[in-house]
Amino acid sequence: DAMVIQNPRYQVTQFGKPVTLSCSQTLNHNVMYWYQQKSSQAPKLLFHYYDKDFNNEADTPDNFQSRRPNTSFCFLDIRSPGLGDAAMYLCATSRDGGGETQYFGPGTRLLVL
Amino acid sequence: GENVEQHPSTLSVQEGDSAVIKCTYSDSASNYFPWYKQELGKRPQLIIDIRSNVGEKKDQRIAVTLNKTAKHFSLHITETQPEDSAVYFCAASRSGYIPTFGRGTSLIVHP
Repeated sequence: DAMVIQNPRYQVTQFGKPVTLSCSQTLNHNVMYWYQQKSSQAPKLLFHYYDKDFNNEADTPDNFQSRRPNTSFCFLDIRSPGLGDAAMYLCATSRDGGGETQYFGPGTRLLVL
Repeated sequence: GENVEQHPSTLSVQEGDSAVIKCTYSDSASNYFPWYKQELGKRPQLIIDIRSNVGEKKDQRIAVTLNKTAKHFSLHITETQPEDSAVYFCAASRSGYIPTFGRGTSLIVHP
């Protein structure tokens, strides 16, 4: 019954070594989001896709990229992870843009050594 | 853009007491206000939401109230239980715009 799936659940990488996180959804929702959440903080939106249209938040570092090859899948690429990128990364979906419930995946916890 | 303020940041109550978390928003065009509960190490999950055409909504021990004039909305939890302990996030959005989250409230329910 999982609706938003994230893999892996835990990812350990080395400083500067590229990493890719994946998200898939079975809801056929138009919008997919990537959030970064650090301890005791609210989720911080990195970017979102409305269908194939990519929308980057102004303060998202260039180090973070995303791909959405089809409706079901979305990837987060961190090109050169730094220690400050260690966080929980949450993927979410919504049927449409604002005014809709967001459904979150279980998250990927990233550790950078 | 929208700005959402959430208070308090931490709320500690005894089991059986009520808990109230308040949020204010800045964009008068916002019309959808969800509340998410996030337990430690888990995903945020919707617990209740309200749209701008109603002033109050209840679901068992949880209720949300909305004051459009004052631009604030509140989450009310009655008869709190230890399993209610979590971080609660409010959000505000409108059609075509991405939701804006509050900073979160850590609710601790003491047995």
